[in-house]
Amino acid sequence: EAQVTQNPRYLITVTGKKLTVTCSQNMNHEYMSWYRQDPGLGLRQIYYSMNVEVTDKGDVPEGYKVSRKEKRNFPLILESPSPNQTSLYFCASSFAGTGSGYTFGSGTRLTVV
Amino acid sequence: QKEVEQNSGPLSVPEGAIASLNCTYSDRGSQSFFWYRQYSGKSPELIMFIYSNGDKEDGRFTAQLNKASQYVSLLIRDSQPSDSATYLCAVNPTGANSKLTFGKGITLSVRP
Repeated sequence: EAQVTQNPRYLITVTGKKLTVTCSQNMNHEYMSWYRQDPGLGLRQIYYSMNVEVTDKGDVPEGYKVSRKEKRNFPLILESPSPNQTSLYFCASSFAGTGSGYTFGSGTRLTVV
Repeated sequence: QKEVEQNSGPLSVPEGAIASLNCTYSDRGSQSFFWYRQYSGKSPELIMFIYSNGDKEDGRFTAQLNKASQYVSLLIRDSQPSDSATYLCAVNPTGANSKLTFGKGITLSVRP
């Protein structure tokens, strides 16, 4: 089944404790992206990647890191999480080319206390 | 920053009616436009995309694009209670195909 897989689905952590949210896609998509979704603010793009070793900042990159060492994987790293990073996170992937829409993973609900 | 605006809603329509969802965008050079549906507690799923001015129909859904006026709309005909969800407009800004900017969404409720 073609899908984007995120893990974990739920995570509660403490301020300052480094964490990684994994994302993997099996559709051979070139583009991958991370979004966060917050009430009243909608979906905001954190980082995106156009291919292996090619990444760029989205609209809200502060406090996050990403890497794209393999085409299928695009982990999101929070090196020192803070409570304002409590959110619902979505990974997404897409074929390259004009106008390809993203396919989203199931989401990771992160709480930082 | 490129912006995508949607009416805040919520929007409530009776079953069988036409639901009309609107979206405006600030970047005149935007190339492609998407409508996503998101059920409560679920991830967004793509339901329509449109690139050219005019209408595009897919079953009960019609997307309309007017680049001169910088708006895109989604019509849902014969609305069903199962259409009750949040609808997100998304735009690919100029020259950044991997960057998809979303509106805040509008919640649609279809009354049986």
